[in-house]
Amino acid sequence: DTGVSQDPRHKITKRGQNVTFRCDPISEHNRLYWYRQTLGQGPEFLTYFQNEAQLEKSRLLSDRFSAERPKGSFSTLEIQRTEQGDSAMYLCASSFPDRDPYEQYFGPGTRLTVT
Amino acid sequence: SQQGEEDPQALSIQEGENATMNCSYKTSINNLQWYRQNSGRGLVHLILIRSNEREKHSGRLRVTLDTSKKSSSLLITASRAADTASYFCATGGGGADGLTFGKGTHLIIQP
Repeated sequence: DTGVSQDPRHKITKRGQNVTFRCDPISEHNRLYWYRQTLGQGPEFLTYFQNEAQLEKSRLLSDRFSAERPKGSFSTLEIQRTEQGDSAMYLCASSFPDRDPYEQYFGPGTRLTVT
Repeated sequence: SQQGEEDPQALSIQEGENATMNCSYKTSINNLQWYRQNSGRGLVHLILIRSNEREKHSGRLRVTLDTSKKSSSLLITASRAADTASYFCATGGGGADGLTFGKGTHLIIQP
């Protein structure tokens, strides 16, 4: 499978715990995006990487959230001291602007449940 | 915040019928995209229409764009059970701003 992959697919954690999600983009894609989607809503943009550089962060990305893309390939999203309001689907997407600057390819998402 | 609003929020039709969904947005755009999301899964890109285009076709999909009204419509012809999904319009995505999605239309195709 050469699409975007995310791990884990599901995560249940207790409030106050830290969680980390991983995203592996399509190999030649140099742009990587993280989104959050709550039930009944569309995805909301969190942050964006061009290669290894994090170039934009949404106001939704509080200080408890941190994202990295150390070698410009896979990315991790960490949430510290989780809260019940963090329960959502976390989606990763990648794109290759040299071919298409707008179309993004999404992974299956990581569903986080904070109890 | 959500850029667009899809209408209707939910739509149920019989297999073989056509399904029309509408999207309104707030700011000027370079393009508008439609994505499909099957239950609990990631999104799949369907079609992109640029701001200088008025209509675009792809298979059973037809998208229109009216920039004066800041609205777009997605028509799915000859619907199939496999078309059951949520459909989102999205703007932006050309760089650091990411895509801005509407709340989506949940389409159910009754067999």
